[in-house]
Amino acid sequence: DTAVSQTPKYLVTQMGNDKSIKCEQNLGHDTMYWYKQDSKKFLKIMFSYNNKELIINETVPNRFSPKSPDKAHLNLHINSLELGDSAVYFCASSRQASAGPTDTQYFGPGTRLTVL
Amino acid sequence: AQKVTQAQTEISVVEKEDVTLDCVYETRDTTYYLFWYKQPPSGELVFLIRRNSFDEQNEISGRYSWNFQKSTSSFNFTITASQVVDSAVYFCALSEETSGSRLTFGEGTQLTVNP
Repeated sequence: DTAVSQTPKYLVTQMGNDKSIKCEQNLGHDTMYWYKQDSKKFLKIMFSYNNKELIINETVPNRFSPKSPDKAHLNLHINSLELGDSAVYFCASSRQASAGPTDTQYFGPGTRLTVL
Repeated sequence: AQKVTQAQTEISVVEKEDVTLDCVYETRDTTYYLFWYKQPPSGELVFLIRRNSFDEQNEISGRYSWNFQKSTSSFNFTITASQVVDSAVYFCALSEETSGSRLTFGEGTQLTVNP
């Protein structure tokens, strides 16, 4: 059983298109995240949702919009794709993020987005 | 502000050698967590260990061991008798109490174990 899953694994699209990446976790966790890994392998948080509520929103262009229909799902929609959006996007989940440091975050397999 | 530095960009060893991956962190918080993740060539991120700031005991798990030293703000990772399957990018990460659930990653160290 896959704990954190993402679809699709690969996404190739043209500049200007709109695309979505889906994430689901079956760990019963309350908190979900999106991270971006650039071409130099650097990982940076983009968003975090706790029980469907946005709790972290880094300085990400507003072309990126996360949506959490329920606490087991966190989707990432990207409008007007640009060349610089090409990266690997990782979804992660953890138990409820309280005011303190996070519980362990478990990552999905990643979605490699290529914008042509 | 929190920061994690992995000064070793790439390390190459021969199988059965021991190798240590360095991680130095910066934080103003007294409560924080440190993590190591492994990213093999297949691309997924695999959790290895989580350590809180109040527990400086070293940890050993099979061929893996971790040395946490608050005095030098370091959380180093040693692989004993390395194997080809250990080849991967290894990331150190930090989460501070005041930053909630945000994980700050180091730049990663590419470890190549040659047969």
